[in-house]
Amino acid sequence: DQQVKQNSPSLSVQEGRISILNCDYTNSMFDYFLWYKKYPAEGPTFLISISSIKDKNEDGRFTVFLNKSAKHLSLHIVPSQPGDSAVYFCAASAKAAGNKLTFGGGTRVLVKP
Amino acid sequence: DGGITQSPKYLFRKEGQNVTLSCEQNLNHDAMYWYRQDPGQGLRLIYYSQIVNDFQKGDIAEGYSVSREKKESFPLTVTSAQKNPTAFYLCASSIGRPSGYTFGSGTRLTVV
Repeated sequence: DQQVKQNSPSLSVQEGRISILNCDYTNSMFDYFLWYKKYPAEGPTFLISISSIKDKNEDGRFTVFLNKSAKHLSLHIVPSQPGDSAVYFCAASAKAAGNKLTFGGGTRVLVKP
Repeated sequence: DGGITQSPKYLFRKEGQNVTLSCEQNLNHDAMYWYRQDPGQGLRLIYYSQIVNDFQKGDIAEGYSVSREKKESFPLTVTSAQKNPTAFYLCASSIGRPSGYTFGSGTRLTVV
């Protein structure tokens, strides 16, 4: 039973345009959400996070939106750059479960010059 | 420089052999984790440890074993009981929110 799902396995976007990555979750105990970026043959690196008490968090070109009623979050990258081409993982954790992360399946983003 | 070191980067195993993947961190993090990534798939939790001398099974622990004798070290043994061990293995550590985990650079294990 996948508790965190990224339904789009891949996304192609033109340089300078917006990339929107989506993530859905089913566990209502999740109260903290993160996005990680991963290049091939490397470990994921932390990008941005959001607590369930907020509905938006922004850091430079990256903004994460959380819709708790829909159990949905999204990552916006504006403007997209060729260096953003990577796999992006959504992750969620529940304080009651010791904060271990449950990951989605990932979305591969290709930014075309 | 603080971080997590995984070794080796590439590992080849013959059928029926046990192999051990190393994970060392100097971040003074209490919690450590092992994940597995298969092509085109997400990260699945194998084992985790919240404190020295204690660890718990994750979602796919069968065929794997771990130890946590030191805070800095969390080695993963892939045993011959693991039916499909070829994958990319990632170790992580955590001090908690807000940044979640710090990951190592991974070990690619191939069964030959």
